[in-house]
Amino acid sequence: TQLLEQSPQFLSIQEGENLTVYCNSSSVFSSLQWYRQEPGEGPVLLVTVVTGGEVKKLKRLTFQFGDARKDSSLHITAAQPGDTGLYLCAGRNNAGNMLTFGGGTRLMVKP
Amino acid sequence: DTGVSQDPRHKITKRGQNVTFRCDPISEHNRLYWYRQTLGQGPEFLTYFQNEAQLEKSRLLSDRFSAERPKGSFSTLEIQRTEQGDSAMYLCASSRGLASITDTQYFGPGTRLTVL
Repeated sequence: TQLLEQSPQFLSIQEGENLTVYCNSSSVFSSLQWYRQEPGEGPVLLVTVVTGGEVKKLKRLTFQFGDARKDSSLHITAAQPGDTGLYLCAGRNNAGNMLTFGGGTRLMVKP
Repeated sequence: DTGVSQDPRHKITKRGQNVTFRCDPISEHNRLYWYRQTLGQGPEFLTYFQNEAQLEKSRLLSDRFSAERPKGSFSTLEIQRTEQGDSAMYLCASSRGLASITDTQYFGPGTRLTVL
């Protein structure tokens, strides 16, 4: 069974601070996705990383896929209250038919 | 695209009752997935369909859970003889079904089930 562990589970910071969320596994994934989920809603895709060592930027968010395609990180620069939410990483299996999600990181950014 | 829709958004039922949830995928999406998300956890894969064929159902939590997609469009997830442990958010997702590792799954808003 492929497992993804996210850390930290909870993060409360002040507006303007930087933060990094980690997603680690002992398994190799064909691709890894990051989602953001707000209360009472479904996850919304932020980015997909495919190649080991790949770095993608989405405004103030920087995503990195580990060289061995087993881990990933999400870095947010100058966090804003609108960044508050649950951040989920999800690895895709080689058959491409299933996502395995991490437990999520609940981020709160205080004004 | 109108997005993935799910109905109902909330369901409260008594233990032992049967419940059925509906999911309407994005039109022309061939694949449809069901996930369960308990409080404080990430979604957990349950099953998926390629058109009307259910290709993976070994992850369904018990034989009380079943899913259908009879015409390859909308899908239903049924839970029989509900238990309090079934209380969770049930999420549906759809994708084009491309033979690609970037085939993106788009999620609906979920149905929140509470079993009393």
